[in-house]
Amino acid sequence: NAGVTQTPKFRVLKTGQSMTLLCAQDMNHEYMYWYRQDPGMGLRLIHYSVGEGTTAKGEVPDGYNVSRLKKQNFLLGLESAAPSQTSVYFCASRWGPKNIQYFGAGTRLSVL
Amino acid sequence: GESVGLHLPTLSVQEGDNSIINCAYSNSASDYFIWYKQESGKGPQFIIDIRSNMDKRQGQRVTVLLNKTVKHLSLQIAATQPGDSAVYFCAENKGTGANNLFFGTGTRLTVIP
Repeated sequence: NAGVTQTPKFRVLKTGQSMTLLCAQDMNHEYMYWYRQDPGMGLRLIHYSVGEGTTAKGEVPDGYNVSRLKKQNFLLGLESAAPSQTSVYFCASRWGPKNIQYFGAGTRLSVL
Repeated sequence: GESVGLHLPTLSVQEGDNSIINCAYSNSASDYFIWYKQESGKGPQFIIDIRSNMDKRQGQRVTVLLNKTVKHLSLQIAATQPGDSAVYFCAENKGTGANNLFFGTGTRLTVIP
């Protein structure tokens, strides 16, 4: 049972480049989340989804887009990367709104 | 040792001692709390959770205490081991929507062999 899998693990982008981060979960969870983690700050929610075909904005959505075409996958896109998006990105999933949220191992992104 | 997450973000303990990590939460209506452990370079890992109708819950070497009167949560780790070295943070579940879990900044626990 893999849980929550994120790809890639590391990426370096130049300003203005685009990329997509992939999150896959094999626990049949309805809810999926994308967070960013910056030094000295708690996890901040970027976007989330409550089921296949749905997405919603979190606390810091600007500069990011998401899609949930399949229940098990949640994609995070950066259309035009900026240095302020240098961060560690975590995907998480859970069965319902009052359940444990399980996290992936993270993607370390540097934007030069 | 004892630490309040926001004011003392680091805690050092001797191997074999007990550790206490504290967390103050903000909303008296919060009804579910989770403790996570995050090792360097890894994602947050679930340790233990507690619902607001309980004041104590025990796991393997860990105990979470909930004091709703003062909105305080603590994580106790018994017989701390080097493998316990990590950042620990609490998460507070507010409300019934999907976007309802809010995370503290964490406390870094260092175990001295």
